[in-house]
Amino acid sequence: QKEVEQDPGPLSVPEGAIVSLNCTYSNSAFQYFMWYRQYSRKGPELLMYTYSSGNKEDGRFTAQVDKSSKYISLFIRDSQPSDSATYLCAMSGSGGGADGLTFGKGTHLIIQP
Amino acid sequence: ETGVTQSPTHLIKTRGQQVTLRCSSQSGHNTVSWYQQALGQGPQFIFQYYREEENGRGNFPPRFSGLQFPNYSSELNVNALELDDSALYLCASSFGNPGYTFGSGTRLTVV
Repeated sequence: QKEVEQDPGPLSVPEGAIVSLNCTYSNSAFQYFMWYRQYSRKGPELLMYTYSSGNKEDGRFTAQVDKSSKYISLFIRDSQPSDSATYLCAMSGSGGGADGLTFGKGTHLIIQP
Repeated sequence: ETGVTQSPTHLIKTRGQQVTLRCSSQSGHNTVSWYQQALGQGPQFIFQYYREEENGRGNFPPRFSGLQFPNYSSELNVNALELDDSALYLCASSFGNPGYTFGSGTRLTVV
């Protein structure tokens, strides 16, 4: 079993829909949770960064962390064609990051105009 | 402010050769880490440098080595290249927290 599980998709939704992306993990030492967006032939771009459990909102994006279930989610409201990309969840146990980030495989999201 | 820049963008090497990839960190960032991303996979942590010292390493063999310079730029060196080393190599920098800024990567092909 991989430390971080993420459905690779593709996930195809119509423009304007609410998108839900999820990851599960097995390592209870993870305390820092991130979502990155990666366009083709580009590096990952940090979208959301959350410490421990709870919700965080930034514009159209909401990140949720449920440490008791080892489950994290990213919601995208009013989805746009420009949101089409691969979304990677990432986690770390240490604030200084010396253990590195553990990534999921990424979910390929397609927003249909 | 400038972001993370990596060079070269593409590289083709022969099995058994050695390669050096370069990275300039985002201004003000003192921590740099390197990741390997195979096609269709998430990035895998190689190692991290903080103030010129390696302070974390993933599950990669010693032929993967690195340096961080006083200006916080960095190099990734890979010796004795294998076909499986073909991947996108990503450099990421931060200022002491896991919210890294990534570069666009170097795509390495080993033939």
